[in-house]
Amino acid sequence: AQKVTQAQTEISVVEKEDVTLDCVYETRDTTYYLFWYKQPPSGELVFLIRRNSFDEQNEISGRYSWNFQKSTSSFNFTITASQVVDSAVYFCALSGASTSGTYKYIFGTGTRLKVLA
Amino acid sequence: SAVISQKPSRDICQRGTSLTIQCQVDSQVTMMFWYRQQPGQSLTLIATANQGSEATYESGFVIDKFPISRPNLTFSTLTVSNMSPEDSSIYLCSARLGGSGNTIYFGEGSWLTVV
Repeated sequence: AQKVTQAQTEISVVEKEDVTLDCVYETRDTTYYLFWYKQPPSGELVFLIRRNSFDEQNEISGRYSWNFQKSTSSFNFTITASQVVDSAVYFCALSGASTSGTYKYIFGTGTRLKVLA
Repeated sequence: SAVISQKPSRDICQRGTSLTIQCQVDSQVTMMFWYRQQPGQSLTLIATANQGSEATYESGFVIDKFPISRPNLTFSTLTVSNMSPEDSSIYLCSARLGGSGNTIYFGEGSWLTVV
């Protein structure tokens, strides 16, 4: 069975601090995709990144970086120099590839990040 | 990415009534999904909206309670029937775009409060 665990329910940091959001996943698929989404108070889920299981290269996008490690089944997300606008709930998600086209997306329980001014 | 529009964005509904949520995508998409997010919770998949055929429901969700339509490749509706306070949630439409790898994008959500 597929599962995504975000053990951190809520994190509070002071502006300009770095923060890492943890994501651990379980899957028996050899081909799968991992995602991070941001949900600000407005409610919309904003796509941040997709990673496939064959690409373990870490990625950096501005203040955001992602560390994918298959050995530990983790896909962690780091925000450098956090800002108040980063305050949101962040979801990690997992999807298995399927030739039949029936994809399922499993979401973690989310981590609420509060960045204090 | 595509623009996914949902309406209503918010509504307060009376117990026992039904409400239909509309989801419009600005391009043709291969797959559309409906999720529910109860207050403070994660996303739970209700069903996959199949174009031209009946939706595929997840365990715990039934067609009588959550009828879904998908008449074409850009539009879908979700009806929440005979609502109770436990149905108070954000309902999110999502779509998988062709060429997006496996990424699904979300609408802005419909916040329903049942009183």
